[in-house]
Amino acid sequence: NFMLTQPHSVSESPGKTVTISCTGSSGSIASNFVQWYQQRPGRAPTTVIYENNQRPSGVPDRFSGSIDRSSNSASLTISGLKTEDEADYYCQSYDSSSVEFGGGTKLTVL
Amino acid sequence: QVQLVQSGAEVRKPGDSVKVSCKASGYTFSDYNILWVRQAPGQGLEWMGWINPNNGDGNFAQKFQGRIMMTRDTSISTAYMELRRLRSDDTAVYYCARDDGGGWYFWFDPWGQGTLVTVSS
Repeated sequence: NFMLTQPHSVSESPGKTVTISCTGSSGSIASNFVQWYQQRPGRAPTTVIYENNQRPSGVPDRFSGSIDRSSNSASLTISGLKTEDEADYYCQSYDSSSVEFGGGTKLTVL
Repeated sequence: QVQLVQSGAEVRKPGDSVKVSCKASGYTFSDYNILWVRQAPGQGLEWMGWINPNNGDGNFAQKFQGRIMMTRDTSISTAYMELRRLRSDDTAVYYCARDDGGGWYFWFDPWGQGTLVTVSS
């Protein structure tokens, strides 16, 4: 069973750029698409990135996703941070017919 | 617009069962798998399983073996997740989501609003 590991928390100031990593435990994270979800307190998650680096309509281009094969990790980068970006972020991928989520990263914008 | 609306909060005792519904609208229900995820208080997202509304096939996470059943009623565009032999650590918000991955990968979008299930004696 593969696992996805995220930092527990990150913090950065408004206007800055932050990157959240998602490291695969085995195999190649590049073998299957990675999605990223944003979850604000008390709300259901919403997609910010799908298929590694695609943004759904309505998600600002301040959000970007990438894959680094050398570190077997995916990354979510948010530039021009706004206070409204403060939320929990989860990466998600899959293995054959099962799904895996990262443990989530709490982003604080202070 | 595409929308998933879940049933309301439930309170159960240990050993009971709970059945959560997820009604889809705004698209052809049988064209997309439905995924189920739960989130314990203060914890992360945990995948539970998925069902193909077209034929009822699906898969579930091994830890729910023997306790979970996922069904659907295509006549009312509704999916169901039943969890049996509830324990206190099953207390969580349960979400359904549409699988927007086209059948060849998993992408949860959109999500239902969530259903809080509380298990307490």
